Amino acid sequence: GQSLEQPSEVTAVEGAIVQINCTYQTSGFYGLSWYQQHDGGAPTFLSYNALDGLEETGRFSSFLSRSDSYGYLLLQELQMKDSASYFCARGDQGGKLIFGQGTELSVKP
Amino acid sequence: DAGVTQSPTHLIKTRGQQVTLRCSPISGHKSVSWYQQVLGQGPQFIFQYYEKEERGRGNFPDRFSARQFPNYSSELNVNALLLGDSALYLCASSSSTVNTEAFFGQGTRLTVV
Repeated sequence: GQSLEQPSEVTAVEGAIVQINCTYQTSGFYGLSWYQQHDGGAPTFLSYNALDGLEETGRFSSFLSRSDSYGYLLLQELQMKDSASYFCARGDQGGKLIFGQGTELSVKP
Repeated sequence: DAGVTQSPTHLIKTRGQQVTLRCSPISGHKSVSWYQQVLGQGPQFIFQYYEKEERGRGNFPDRFSARQFPNYSSELNVNALLLGDSALYLCASSSSTVNTEAFFGQGTRLTVV
């Protein structure tokens, strides 16, 4: 299938590190992206992996392993403002982004 | 620099009516994509246009159509509205067809009653 699987909810405390996993069941895509969306807002681009390995952007890192059909987003030094929904998205031909169902992250004090 | 702008922000329509949503991409971006997002789900791809040509189409009925203008702005048109068309409609622009980094607008919240 074309679906991407993510946990529906994750809870963590302020200052902690959290990892949001994304597994998929297809090959031959351009890369894996991650987006953040606050309630009622626009999805905001966070990170992109074209190749296997780790990409680091400030407090956010993303990892891709095509051989394992798996990726993750790592958020460090969690802040209250990081409470949001996080989506992995696969880039396909025709400019298509296939999104996962999203993971709702709740950061507690 | 202005980001991706969409209009209107909210819209209420009656079943059977037609609606047109508008999107202006980031200056210099030639690719515009449309997505439908139902509450609690990820965005679903509807169309991508690049240089005024349709480059991709998602699994949506023919009631959905779109076009891109010479200034790269775009319209999404939905005919014969159904209650199930109620959703947040997002427009995304990028500099390429591959959409490695897409910039989304705030969306149009469409409610069909």
